[in-house]
Amino acid sequence: AQKITQTQPGMFVQEKEAVTLDCTYDTSDPSYGLFWYKQPSSGEMIFLIYQGSYDQQNATEGRYSLNFQKARKSANLVISASQLGDSAMYFCAMRGMGRDDMRFGAGTRLTVKP
Amino acid sequence: EAGVAQSPRYKIIEKRQSVAFWCNPISGHATLYWYQQILGQGPKLLIQFQNNGVVDDSQLPKDRFSAERLKGVDSTLKIQPAKLEDSAVYLCASSFLATGELFFGEGSRLTVL
Repeated sequence: AQKITQTQPGMFVQEKEAVTLDCTYDTSDPSYGLFWYKQPSSGEMIFLIYQGSYDQQNATEGRYSLNFQKARKSANLVISASQLGDSAMYFCAMRGMGRDDMRFGAGTRLTVKP
Repeated sequence: EAGVAQSPRYKIIEKRQSVAFWCNPISGHATLYWYQQILGQGPKLLIQFQNNGVVDDSQLPKDRFSAERLKGVDSTLKIQPAKLEDSAVYLCASSFLATGELFFGEGSRLTVL
């Protein structure tokens, strides 16, 4: 069974600083994909970044990067140069290759302080 | 391209009443998902369709929840009768690739009184 764990219910960061949101996972699938989504207070789920389990390099998308440590089964999201608009819930999710379902963690609420 | 459309955005009902939510996925997306997101929690998969067939409904409370995807395009999720604990946001999502990201609608917020 797949399991996603996000141990930080809430995080605070000063504007313009970097922040790391933790995510660990457990799966028996030999290959899988890891995703991060942002959910602002308006409610929509916004896709941020993807990492495949066989990708050699960590994924990056603008100010977002994914610190993927396969042996430790962790896929932490790093946001550089935080902005006030980054305040939101952030969800880590996983999808096994060959399985269509995507499972989500409990989320981390990030608050960016001016 | 148009995103995932959901309606209604908000619904308030009394317990034991029924409610239906509608979702139209992104054109060409064969896979459609319904998630339940209770306040303060991550989304929980209720049911997944591939075209008009059910792939996974293991977490759907089938005594009160039903869903269909006729013609493999839009989908309806129904709750009958509703319970207080069904208060949540119901998110519809679709994907093109089996391994790609999900595209979500804005959600339908249900309040059961």
